[in-house]
Amino acid sequence: DSGVTQTPKHLITATGQRVTLRCSPRSGDLSVYWYQQSLDQGLQFLIQYYNGEERAKGNILERFSAQQFPDLHSELNLSSLELGDSALYFCASSHREMNTEAFFGQGTRLTVV
Amino acid sequence: AQSVAQPEDQVNVAEGNPLTVKCTYSVSGNPYLFWYVQYPNRGLQFLLKYITGDNLVKGSYGFEAEFNKSQTSFHLKKPSALVSDSALYFCAVRDIKTGANNLFFGTGTRLTVIP
Repeated sequence: DSGVTQTPKHLITATGQRVTLRCSPRSGDLSVYWYQQSLDQGLQFLIQYYNGEERAKGNILERFSAQQFPDLHSELNLSSLELGDSALYFCASSHREMNTEAFFGQGTRLTVV
Repeated sequence: AQSVAQPEDQVNVAEGNPLTVKCTYSVSGNPYLFWYVQYPNRGLQFLLKYITGDNLVKGSYGFEAEFNKSQTSFHLKKPSALVSDSALYFCAVRDIKTGANNLFFGTGTRLTVIP
C-alpha cells in the first residue's frame, strides 16, 4: 500500500458528461501529480500541485481541470467527456519536490461509453 | 526538453537467468532517474532511484540499476529472474536543471519471465 488513495476505482459514464476523480496523498506529502495512462499514449503527465498551488502543467486538455485543497487532497475534473478520454488516471504524491520518488495510487479506471 | 526511451517493448527471459531492461534518457542538466514497476490492475510501485553518488543503485525485490552518464543510460538489472517479476516496467526522469518537477516516463517494457 503506497498510502495514496484514489476514488472511485472504476467509473463508467456517457459521452458529454462530467466526472470528478479524487486523490488523497500520503500523509505529509505536499505535491500531488496527475497522470493519464492509455494504451496508445503511455503515461502522460497532466498537472502538478504543490501545497495548494499549480506547479507544472503537462498535456492536460482544456476540458480537464484540477485543484488541491487546504487539506492537500486533490480533485481532477473531466468534462465534456469523449470516448478517447477512457483511460486509467493515476494520482501520485511526494514530499519534497525534486530528489524524492513519487508514490502512486491504484488509479481510477474511466470508461466513457 | 527531457525525454526517456525504453527501446524494447517486450523482454522475455527464462527463470533464473539474469535480466536487463534498458533505458536511455535526455535532459538538459543532471538527471534524477527512477524505475517503477506496474503489476496488472495496480498502480506504479517505486523500485529504485539514482540521485547522485554510486553509479550502481540497489532497490526493492533484488533489482539494481546502473547509471552511465557517458551513455546516458540507466538500465535495470536483476541477477536471477523470478516468474513473479513478470510485469510492466517504467523508467522515468526528473530534470532538476529546468526546475521541472514532474516525472517523465518512458513507454514501458513488458517483462515476461518464462518458467
